[in-house]
Amino acid sequence: AQKVTQAQTEISVVEKEDVTLDCVYETRDTTYYLFWYKQPPSGELVFLIRRNSFDEQNEISGRYSWNFQKSTSSFNFTITASQVVDSAVYFCALSEGGFNKFYFGSGTKLNVKP
Amino acid sequence: NAGVMQNPRHLVRRRGQEARLRCSPMKGHSHVYWYRQLPEEGLKFMVYLQKENIIDESGMPKERFSAEFPKEGPSILRIQQVVRGDSAAYFCASSPLGAKDLFTDTQYFGPGTRLTVL
Repeated sequence: AQKVTQAQTEISVVEKEDVTLDCVYETRDTTYYLFWYKQPPSGELVFLIRRNSFDEQNEISGRYSWNFQKSTSSFNFTITASQVVDSAVYFCALSEGGFNKFYFGSGTKLNVKP
Repeated sequence: NAGVMQNPRHLVRRRGQEARLRCSPMKGHSHVYWYRQLPEEGLKFMVYLQKENIIDESGMPKERFSAEFPKEGPSILRIQQVVRGDSAAYFCASSPLGAKDLFTDTQYFGPGTRLTVL
């Protein structure tokens, strides 16, 4: 079974629209970490956020916000007022208690059109 | 502080040749992870190494693939007798503390090496 599921393969929006990228995870560990990474067309991975399982406080960073809900095992990512530069593939990842390896979702490709 | 360095950025090999991918972790980082990203897919864990030790190689194919992280020098991911299915982006990540620190550790990724097997 997939540990991290990103059901949205590809999303297209028009600039200035808000968009939410979904991430559902599965783990039996009580301590775990969730991440979001951005992969622009150039191919590198850009770290966006890390969340600890014991901290359910939502976080906002500029136009980015994250909604972590343990009850539904979800860690969704919202971009407010999207811009063309937000176009990229976004990956959600899980690291379990031992903090060794990451389990990545299959990614959501976001296309922001002008 | 330079980030994680990987070279080469692009590597072309013919079937049956060997591919050597290098990763220099961030300064002060002693833990290295290798991931493989097949086209249109997410990253898959391959191996986790500390200096001179392989900690977890559960994601490594049983044959043709090997990894090392010597006391001095970069980590090397070696693929022998490459096949077309090995074509992928290979990412290296490093972290300062690995499994010991559960509160601050984060993996930082290199830019990746894109391997093309002809």
